[in-house]
Amino acid sequence: QVQLVQSGAEVKKPGASVKVSCKASGYTFTGHYIHWVRQAPGQGLEWMGWINPNSGRTKYAEKFQGRVTLTRDTSITTGYMEVSSLTSDDTALYYCTRGSEVSGGRKPCDFWGQGTLVTVSS
Amino acid sequence: DIQMTQSPSSLSASVGDRVTITCRASQGINNYLAWYQQKPGRVPKLLIYGASSLESGVPSRFSGSGSGTDFTLTISSLQPEDGASYYCQRYDTSPRTFGGGTTVEIK
Repeated sequence: QVQLVQSGAEVKKPGASVKVSCKASGYTFTGHYIHWVRQAPGQGLEWMGWINPNSGRTKYAEKFQGRVTLTRDTSITTGYMEVSSLTSDDTALYYCTRGSEVSGGRKPCDFWGQGTLVTVSS
Repeated sequence: DIQMTQSPSSLSASVGDRVTITCRASQGINNYLAWYQQKPGRVPKLLIYGASSLESGVPSRFSGSGSGTDFTLTISSLQPEDGASYYCQRYDTSPRTFGGGTTVEIK
Protein backbone atom coordinates (compact mmCIF):
# COMPACT_ATOMS: atom_id res chain seq x y z
CA GLN A 1 0.00 0.00 0.00
CA VAL A 2 1.08 3.55 -0.71
CA GLN A 3 2.65 5.24 2.30
CA LEU A 4 4.38 8.55 2.88
CA VAL A 5 6.14 8.72 6.24
CA GLN A 6 7.52 12.05 7.36
CA SER A 7 10.21 12.94 9.87
CA GLY A 8 9.41 14.08 13.37
CA ALA A 9 8.50 17.44 14.85
CA GLU A 10 11.09 20.21 14.89
CA VAL A 11 11.61 23.30 17.04
CA LYS A 12 13.76 26.00 15.49
CA LYS A 13 14.85 29.51 16.35
CA PRO A 14 14.09 32.43 14.07
CA GLY A 15 16.62 32.69 11.25
CA ALA A 16 17.42 28.99 11.28
CA SER A 17 16.64 26.41 8.62
CA VAL A 18 14.68 23.17 8.81
CA LYS A 19 14.73 20.09 6.59
CA VAL A 20 11.80 17.68 6.58
CA SER A 21 11.94 14.25 4.98
CA CYS A 22 9.21 12.19 3.33
CA LYS A 23 9.86 8.46 2.85
CA ALA A 24 7.69 6.95 0.11
CA SER A 25 6.80 3.28 -0.27
CA GLY A 26 4.26 1.07 -2.01
CA TYR A 27 4.63 2.62 -5.46
CA THR A 28 7.30 3.64 -7.97
CA PHE A 29 8.87 6.70 -6.32
CA THR A 30 10.12 8.21 -9.58
CA GLY A 31 6.72 7.78 -11.21
CA HIS A 32 4.78 10.45 -9.33
CA TYR A 33 5.31 14.10 -8.41
CA ILE A 34 5.71 14.92 -4.73
CA HIS A 35 3.98 18.10 -3.55
CA TRP A 36 4.42 19.94 -0.29
CA VAL A 37 1.56 21.69 1.50
CA ARG A 38 1.56 23.51 4.81
CA GLN A 39 -1.10 24.44 7.34
CA ALA A 40 -0.57 27.07 10.00
CA PRO A 41 -2.38 26.51 13.32
CA GLY A 42 -6.11 26.95 12.82
CA GLN A 43 -5.64 28.00 9.21
CA GLY A 44 -6.23 26.55 5.76
CA LEU A 45 -4.07 24.59 3.37
CA GLU A 46 -1.28 26.34 1.47
CA TRP A 47 0.45 24.78 -1.54
CA MET A 48 4.21 25.25 -1.50
CA GLY A 49 5.62 23.44 -4.52
CA TRP A 50 6.41 20.16 -6.24
CA ILE A 51 9.33 18.06 -7.30
CA ASN A 52 9.56 15.56 -10.13
CA PRO A 53 11.48 12.73 -8.43
CA ASN A 54 12.56 11.34 -11.79
CA SER A 55 14.22 14.48 -13.15
CA GLY A 56 14.67 16.52 -9.99
CA ARG A 57 12.85 19.43 -11.60
CA THR A 58 11.01 21.67 -9.15
CA LYS A 59 8.29 24.30 -9.14
CA TYR A 60 7.58 26.64 -6.23
CA ALA A 61 4.78 28.95 -5.21
CA GLU A 62 5.98 32.49 -5.70
CA LYS A 63 5.97 33.34 -1.99
CA PHE A 64 8.36 30.47 -1.26
CA GLN A 65 10.70 30.96 -4.21
CA GLY A 66 14.27 31.36 -2.96
CA ARG A 67 13.50 30.25 0.59
CA VAL A 68 12.23 26.71 0.05
CA THR A 69 14.25 23.95 -1.59
CA LEU A 70 12.81 20.60 -2.62
CA THR A 71 15.16 17.70 -3.26
CA ARG A 72 15.01 13.95 -3.43
CA ASP A 73 17.18 10.86 -3.03
CA THR A 74 15.89 8.18 -5.36
CA SER A 75 18.14 5.51 -3.81
CA ILE A 76 16.11 5.67 -0.61
CA THR A 77 12.80 6.86 -2.15
CA THR A 78 12.77 9.96 0.00
CA GLY A 79 11.85 13.53 -0.70
CA TYR A 80 13.04 16.53 1.29
CA MET A 81 11.79 20.03 1.91
CA GLU A 82 14.12 22.65 3.36
CA VAL A 83 12.94 26.06 4.52
CA SER A 84 15.51 28.71 5.35
CA SER A 85 15.38 32.03 7.23
CA LEU A 86 12.55 30.81 9.42
CA THR A 87 10.19 33.22 11.16
CA SER A 88 7.30 32.65 13.52
CA ASP A 89 5.00 32.82 10.48
CA ASP A 90 6.53 29.52 9.34
CA THR A 91 5.15 27.70 12.37
CA ALA A 92 2.91 25.12 10.72
CA LEU A 93 2.19 21.50 9.96
CA TYR A 94 4.03 20.55 6.77
CA TYR A 95 2.69 17.75 4.58
CA CYS A 96 4.15 15.85 1.65
CA THR A 97 1.63 14.39 -0.74
CA ARG A 98 1.71 12.25 -3.87
CA GLY A 99 0.72 13.96 -7.07
CA SER A 100 0.02 12.84 -10.59
CA GLU A 101 2.21 10.60 -12.71
CA VAL A 102 5.28 12.27 -14.19
CA SER A 103 4.57 10.52 -17.50
CA GLY A 104 1.59 12.78 -18.06
CA GLY A 105 -1.97 13.47 -17.05
CA ARG A 106 -3.16 15.77 -14.33
CA LYS A 107 -4.58 14.38 -11.11
CA PRO A 108 -4.89 15.89 -7.66
CA CYS A 109 -2.84 14.66 -4.77
CA ASP A 110 -4.18 11.40 -3.39
CA PHE A 111 -1.94 10.04 -0.61
CA TRP A 112 -0.62 12.28 2.15
CA GLY A 113 2.11 12.00 4.76
CA GLN A 114 1.14 12.31 8.40
CA GLY A 115 2.49 15.85 8.63
CA THR A 116 5.50 17.33 10.40
CA LEU A 117 5.00 20.13 12.92
CA VAL A 118 7.63 22.83 12.66
CA THR A 119 7.60 25.34 15.49
CA VAL A 120 9.64 28.52 15.19
CA SER A 121 10.22 30.18 18.53
CA SER A 122 12.95 32.12 20.25
CA ASP B 1 -2.25 33.86 -10.26
CA ILE B 2 -5.73 32.38 -10.22
CA GLN B 3 -7.55 32.88 -6.92
CA MET B 4 -9.89 30.26 -5.47
CA THR B 5 -12.74 31.65 -3.39
CA GLN B 6 -14.90 29.37 -1.26
CA SER B 7 -18.19 30.19 0.38
CA PRO B 8 -19.45 30.11 2.98
CA SER B 9 -16.44 30.05 5.31
CA SER B 10 -18.51 28.11 7.82
CA LEU B 11 -21.98 26.66 8.18
CA SER B 12 -24.03 24.79 10.72
CA ALA B 13 -26.52 22.13 9.62
CA SER B 14 -28.49 19.23 11.02
CA VAL B 15 -28.14 15.56 10.29
CA GLY B 16 -30.07 14.78 7.13
CA ASP B 17 -29.75 18.29 5.69
CA ARG B 18 -28.55 18.94 2.17
CA VAL B 19 -25.35 21.02 2.30
CA THR B 20 -23.82 22.98 -0.56
CA ILE B 21 -20.37 24.58 -0.67
CA THR B 22 -19.24 26.70 -3.57
CA CYS B 23 -15.81 27.40 -5.03
CA ARG B 24 -15.12 30.08 -7.61
CA ALA B 25 -11.93 30.38 -9.65
CA SER B 26 -10.90 33.83 -10.85
CA GLN B 27 -10.22 32.30 -14.29
CA GLY B 28 -11.28 29.11 -16.01
CA ILE B 29 -9.52 25.97 -14.82
CA ASN B 30 -10.89 23.42 -17.31
CA ASN B 31 -12.58 21.36 -14.57
CA TYR B 32 -9.27 20.48 -12.91
CA LEU B 33 -10.91 21.00 -9.54
CA ALA B 34 -10.59 18.77 -6.49
CA TRP B 35 -12.40 18.73 -3.16
CA TYR B 36 -10.78 17.57 0.08
CA GLN B 37 -12.23 16.83 3.49
CA GLN B 38 -10.13 17.41 6.61
CA LYS B 39 -11.35 16.32 10.02
CA PRO B 40 -9.77 17.90 13.12
CA GLY B 41 -6.29 16.51 13.72
CA ARG B 42 -6.39 14.44 10.55
CA VAL B 43 -4.79 14.49 7.14
CA PRO B 44 -6.78 15.88 4.17
CA LYS B 45 -8.72 13.26 2.25
CA LEU B 46 -9.51 13.48 -1.47
CA LEU B 47 -13.25 13.37 -2.12
CA ILE B 48 -13.80 14.61 -5.66
CA TYR B 49 -11.53 15.15 -8.69
CA GLY B 50 -12.23 16.42 -12.17
CA ALA B 51 -14.93 18.59 -10.58
CA SER B 52 -17.42 15.72 -10.44
CA SER B 53 -15.67 12.34 -10.20
CA LEU B 54 -16.01 10.56 -6.87
CA GLU B 55 -12.77 9.17 -5.46
CA SER B 56 -12.90 5.46 -4.72
CA GLY B 57 -14.37 4.65 -1.32
CA VAL B 58 -16.05 8.03 -0.83
CA PRO B 59 -19.75 7.78 0.12
CA SER B 60 -22.18 8.56 -2.67
CA ARG B 61 -23.85 11.32 -0.63
CA PHE B 62 -20.91 13.49 -1.72
CA SER B 63 -21.10 14.94 -5.21
CA GLY B 64 -19.39 17.65 -7.20
CA SER B 65 -20.57 19.75 -10.08
CA GLY B 66 -19.70 22.81 -12.09
CA SER B 67 -17.37 23.82 -14.88
CA GLY B 68 -15.12 26.66 -15.96
CA THR B 69 -15.00 28.92 -12.94
CA ASP B 70 -17.89 27.92 -10.69
CA PHE B 71 -17.99 24.65 -8.77
CA THR B 72 -20.11 23.08 -6.06
CA LEU B 73 -19.65 20.34 -3.48
CA THR B 74 -22.92 18.87 -2.25
CA ILE B 75 -23.57 16.55 0.67
CA SER B 76 -27.03 15.18 -0.07
CA SER B 77 -27.84 14.03 3.47
CA LEU B 78 -25.45 15.27 6.13
CA GLN B 79 -24.16 12.63 8.53
CA PRO B 80 -22.56 13.12 11.96
CA GLU B 81 -19.17 12.02 10.62
CA ASP B 82 -19.24 14.78 7.98
CA GLY B 83 -18.33 17.48 10.50
CA ALA B 84 -15.05 18.71 9.01
CA SER B 85 -13.38 21.40 6.95
CA TYR B 86 -13.67 21.19 3.18
CA TYR B 87 -11.22 22.66 0.67
CA CYS B 88 -11.30 23.06 -3.08
CA GLN B 89 -8.06 23.07 -5.07
CA ARG B 90 -7.19 23.78 -8.68
CA TYR B 91 -4.76 21.39 -10.31
CA ASP B 92 -4.73 22.50 -13.93
CA THR B 93 -1.34 24.07 -13.42
CA SER B 94 0.89 25.58 -10.76
CA PRO B 95 0.43 27.23 -8.34
CA ARG B 96 -2.07 24.64 -7.18
CA THR B 97 -4.03 27.07 -5.07
CA PHE B 98 -6.47 25.95 -2.40
CA GLY B 99 -9.66 27.72 -1.50
CA GLY B 100 -9.86 29.21 1.97
CA GLY B 101 -11.91 26.33 3.33
CA THR B 102 -15.42 25.77 4.67
CA THR B 103 -16.01 24.44 8.16
CA VAL B 104 -19.15 22.31 8.49
CA GLU B 105 -20.56 22.04 11.99
CA ILE B 106 -23.19 19.46 12.90
CA LYS B 107 -26.01 20.98 14.95
